[in-house]
Amino acid sequence: IVVTQSPATLSVSPGERATLSCRASQIVSGNLAWYQQKPGQAPRLLIYGASTRAAGTPARFRGSVSGTEYTLTITSLQSEDFGVYYCQQYNKGLTFGGGTKVEMK
Amino acid sequence: VQLVQSGAEVKKPGQSLKISCKGSGYDLSTYWIAWVRQTPGRGLEWMGIIYPGDSDTRYSPSFRGQVTISVDKSTTTAYLHWGSLKASDSAMYYCAKSVGPEYHFDSWGQGTLVTVSS
Repeated sequence: IVVTQSPATLSVSPGERATLSCRASQIVSGNLAWYQQKPGQAPRLLIYGASTRAAGTPARFRGSVSGTEYTLTITSLQSEDFGVYYCQQYNKGLTFGGGTKVEMK
Repeated sequence: VQLVQSGAEVKKPGQSLKISCKGSGYDLSTYWIAWVRQTPGRGLEWMGIIYPGDSDTRYSPSFRGQVTISVDKSTTTAYLHWGSLKASDSAMYYCAKSVGPEYHFDSWGQGTLVTVSS
């Protein structure tokens, strides 16, 4: 299953909303996770099951799905939220998207 | 819960290498441990996964035959082994913990940078 993320780069000002998209080439039945990675660090789980926040994930991170498109929304971007975000499907095998870099506008 | 990986390695093509991932703060035998490769060109790639409880091991088709995943329950440590390294194996390697063989990863090691160069 190929996972495609868009956009590749998202320029956002602190306090603004960020919307990241993830689309799979086949149905993944909600078996999708989102990770955040900052420079020099390992990825960190944010969301699993398309919309369940992992322990410690702030409420401003919201995962949703509409049809075959999965979305991660950061409702009010904080300075610590800049980094690269990856989605991962685990419905059949395990594949990651190419990432969306969230940078300061 | 913590996964602590071994340090960075610099190797020559053709050499062998085994890197490690030690778990603490949880019962290693009840969770799966995966290995994930990260490169600038190919991003994050799942390589394979092992269940320490019975050493059930599964590989991504892309990595089967290229690496060996193993575990030592007595030391709560998982391993990733190459018999003959190639320059293309240069990457950051992460271990990560999961509740199942096809699941999300709820905890990650800090990463081991492997550089293969003549």
